[in-house]
Amino acid sequence: ETGVTQSPTHLIKTRGQQVTLRCSSQSGHNTVSWYQQALGQGPQFIFQYYREEENGRGNFPPRFSGLQFPNYSSELNVNALELDDSALYLCASSSPANYGYTFGSGTRLTVV
Amino acid sequence: GIQVEQSPPDLILQEGANSTLRCNFSDSVNNLQWFHQNPWGQLINLFYIPSGTKQNGRLSATTVATERYSLLYISSSQTTDSGVYFCAAVSNFGNEKLTFGTGTRLTIIP
Repeated sequence: ETGVTQSPTHLIKTRGQQVTLRCSSQSGHNTVSWYQQALGQGPQFIFQYYREEENGRGNFPPRFSGLQFPNYSSELNVNALELDDSALYLCASSSPANYGYTFGSGTRLTVV
Repeated sequence: GIQVEQSPPDLILQEGANSTLRCNFSDSVNNLQWFHQNPWGQLINLFYIPSGTKQNGRLSATTVATERYSLLYISSSQTTDSGVYFCAAVSNFGNEKLTFGTGTRLTIIP
């Protein structure tokens, strides 16, 4: 079975720009969650998508938005980038039949 | 929401030593996982263990759900075991989101 893949692996953006990160879920998983991990900290929950609908959101502003597609892949969009948005962004897929989460290798975003 | 705490925050051991990492959580859970994050950022799922005991090679984990803690045991440590270990849990109450602890940074010295 294929795992969770994320793209791109690294990205450098300028403050104020917009960015789109992509995630392909593991085969058989219909739920995708996004996490932000700042340096030296644990991952923080951004939001979760189930069957193309947002299904829970963490403490992140509306400029963080997402989509889930019919094939369960997902995008994370961040508008008006700020320096503090520099972090590792992790995507995880899961299935109600198996509560285990599988993570991708992440996208490291640097905002300058 | 659920609180997840891990101890110790840092652990430095000689190769071959054994270690025990602890995770305390504040609510009853329907999901608890241990992850190893390697130096490149990849989160590797070690155990899905909301209750009971599991073993995988040199690693084993025990969750005592009624007392709201989980332990990860690493025996005969190797340098490749170095990295950050995270415990993460999903509460039986509220959103179905995986909440992470702050991690234990393990360094194995040759």
